[in-house]
Amino acid sequence: GAGVSQSPSNKVTEKGKDVELRCDPISGHTALYWYRQRLGQGLEFLIYFQGNSAPDKSGLPSDRFSAERTGESVSTLTIQRTQQEDSAVYLCASSLYAGGSYGYTFGSGTRLTVV
Amino acid sequence: TQLLEQSPQFLSIQEGENLTVYCNSSSVFSSLQWYRQEPGEGPVLLVTVVTGGEVKKLKRLTFQFGDARKDSSLHITAAQPGDTGLYLCAGASNTGKLIFGQGTTLQVKP
Repeated sequence: GAGVSQSPSNKVTEKGKDVELRCDPISGHTALYWYRQRLGQGLEFLIYFQGNSAPDKSGLPSDRFSAERTGESVSTLTIQRTQQEDSAVYLCASSLYAGGSYGYTFGSGTRLTVV
Repeated sequence: TQLLEQSPQFLSIQEGENLTVYCNSSSVFSSLQWYRQEPGEGPVLLVTVVTGGEVKKLKRLTFQFGDARKDSSLHITAAQPGDTGLYLCAGASNTGKLIFGQGTTLQVKP
């Protein structure tokens, strides 16, 4: 597609429920990244994919968080047994290849609210 | 651990004023990027700097990469209300991901 698409744009869930967040990267972009952003703050790295593999998943906060990527396409971030501290905007980005020489294109994010 | 610190965290100025935002680290980065983010949207790439001492200009915005590639600055000349937003610097880590600073919230009042 023309840009990075994330769905849903907003998600309100009850504490303890599982949620799935989806990211469709730009076609042809081999690298895909997930970040978390709290209100007015910078971006907290979660995990990134180069193709199907995840060379760096050091930012996942706990074992309640997991992510997968199908081919060099769609990625899903799953949060199990959601907690209130999981409330944030989850941003996905893609780039041609991993590494800082290639600019990231971000989606508009999924705003997750855990009540 | 590679960290980026931005200053100031918040800046409120009048239209027409100049400003500088700083991005500092004790680590060397192979490249550094600046992004601008508006409410409800993802960050948008403004520039990438790669060479130590490099200066890039984008209209009224001037970006500089430190000689040692540990720091960078963003200077805006004659700020306008349309410059309002969250400015983020990001450095390329040695594991292939970008590390972001905490951001500088800029408010330009007409």
